[in-house]
Parts: sequence; C-alpha cells; structure tokens
Amino acid sequence: EIVLTQSPGTLSLSPGERATLSCRASQIVSSSFLAWYQQKLGQAPRLLIYGASTRATGIPDRFSGSGSGTDFTLTISRLEPEDFALYYCQQYDTSLPRFTFGQGTKLEI
Amino acid sequence: EVQLVESGGGLVQPGGSLRLSCAASGFTFSDNYMNWVRQAPGKGLEWVGLIRNKGASYSTIYAASVKGRFTISRDDSENSVFLQMNSLKTEDTAIYYCARDFWYKLDYWGQGALVTVSS
Repeated sequence: EIVLTQSPGTLSLSPGERATLSCRASQIVSSSFLAWYQQKLGQAPRLLIYGASTRATGIPDRFSGSGSGTDFTLTISRLEPEDFALYYCQQYDTSLPRFTFGQGTKLEI
Repeated sequence: EVQLVESGGGLVQPGGSLRLSCAASGFTFSDNYMNWVRQAPGKGLEWVGLIRNKGASYSTIYAASVKGRFTISRDDSENSVFLQMNSLKTEDTAIYYCARDFWYKLDYWGQGALVTVSS
C-alpha cells in the first residue's frame, strides 16, 4: 500500500509570498494519477491539479504542480488571501486499486 | 453545471444502519465512476469506495476499514449513487462526500452529509 506523506504539516506565510508544499510517496507513483485538492473551512475539497502538473478548470495560474516518481510539489507563486486553506495530495493505485490521500498541509496566514 | 447533492445523514446508534444518497445533475451520470470519501471531525480525507459504470459491470471496490459493512450502489435512471452503511461504529462518524471520478481524479464533490454514530 502506497503511503503519501505531506510536509510541512503547517505552513505560515503572508499574502504575496511563495508557498511550496511537498508530497512524498512511499513507492513510485505514476504522475498520471497524482492530484492536489484545496479545502476551505466548512467546504468540500476542490480539485486543483491533476496528472501532477495540469491545472483543473478555473484554477488560477499562480497554482502549479511538479514532480515525478516519489516526490511531488504544489507551488503557489504569490499567495492571495483566499489561498489560506488545507491542501491534500492524492494518488490512485491501479494495482490495488484504490485512492489514497496525504494527511494534508495547513496553509495559514 | 455539475451538481452533487448528498442526503440521508443523521444520528445513529453504534451497530445501526444508515443509507446515504447522492443525486447528480449536469453531466451524463451513467458514463462515470462514482466515489464516496469521508472526513472525520478535524481529520483528513479518507477514501471509502467506488462504483464503476455499466461498462465495467457496476463493480465496486472498498477501503479495508469499511469492507463487509458498507455497500455502494447506483441507479442510473435516477442519476443517483447510494452508500448503505451497516454495523456502524463510533469511528465511522464523519462527513461523507460523494465525488465524480473522471479518469482517476475526483473532479466534482458534493457538499457532504454528516453521519454521527453515538449512543
């Protein structure tokens, strides 16, 4: 079973700064099946990035994803006030098959 | 506009049962796989299971934590997916989300239904 570990657990930054969130897998993950979600307080998660680097519909270009193998990164180039939220990475394991989520990174002001 | 609306949540005693529904609109429901994901209070996201489409024989897959207790079904004529939860435990307390599966990513989510298991 693939385990996703996100770091840091909490990231404290200011609006205008750059945010870098990490997602590390316990085994090699296909980039095609790696996604990132944003969840604001009291709301459902929202798909941000899929295929490790493709922005979902309507997602601003300040969000970008990168990585391959076991190391993936979500970068927010210039933080806006509405970007402070929880972020989860997710992978789909075709061999089991099943979805797995990381434990999340809280991005706080 | 794609919409997913869950219903059926509530308070249930340990050992009891509950059935959640998720009504879909704005897309060709019958084409898509559908998932359930839950989130315990103050915790992260946990995948519960999925149901495939008719082309994949409506096959289902479950997380180990719910296998044998939970059953996912769907009614394509009603554009709905269901989660039957039996033998509920206090650790099943969570918000339950249905989500559309589009090529192994969950691109649309409902607003969630709260299930509380407590005596």
